[in-house]
Amino acid sequence: EIVMTQSPATLSVSPGERATLSCRASQSVSSNLAWYQQKPGQAPRLLIYGASTRATGIPARFSGSGSGTEFTLTISSLQSEDFAVYYCQQYNNWPPPTFGQGTKLEIK
Amino acid sequence: QVQLVQSGAEVKKPGASVKVSCKASGYTFTSYGISWVRQAPGQGLEWMGWISAYNGNTNYAQKLQGRVTMTTDTSTSTAYMELRSLRSDDTAVYYCARDNYDSSGYLSRWGQGTLVTVSS
Repeated sequence: EIVMTQSPATLSVSPGERATLSCRASQSVSSNLAWYQQKPGQAPRLLIYGASTRATGIPARFSGSGSGTEFTLTISSLQSEDFAVYYCQQYNNWPPPTFGQGTKLEIK
Repeated sequence: QVQLVQSGAEVKKPGASVKVSCKASGYTFTSYGISWVRQAPGQGLEWMGWISAYNGNTNYAQKLQGRVTMTTDTSTSTAYMELRSLRSDDTAVYYCARDNYDSSGYLSRWGQGTLVTVSS
């Protein structure tokens, strides 16, 4: 089973600033990596798939990069609605597809 | 628009079973699969398994093998997840999500979640 490790666990950033979230895989997952956003009391929402392709309706301020074992989600200018928990997920080696433990993005 | 609507919250006693439904609309049900993911209180996301709505093929998480069954009813575009021999650590929000028809990939749409509470 591939282990996904996200860092940091909590990230404090001011509105309007840039946020960079990291995800590392225990072995290569090629570009088969997705990012999700989850707000309190809501289901996760797909942001990025294929490591760098934005899902339908996702604003351009969200971008993903990386391949192999190192991935990054960047939010270029944080809006109030972006404060949430973010999860990465690999789907290259399954079963099972595996999620990271999440990064909580909070207002500084 | 694509929607997945799940059944309501459940309270079960240890040892009982629960069956959660997930009704799909806005897309061709049999062209996709459904994955089930659960989230214990305050915890992260755990993949439980996948079913192809195209041919009924399934794949379950190893830790749940023997306790979980996933099915679909293509006549009503509904997926079901049954979990048996419930324990207190099965208390979680259970989500269905649209997946690939031939394998589990990224999850493009999610249901609203169903809270299952296991308590004596």
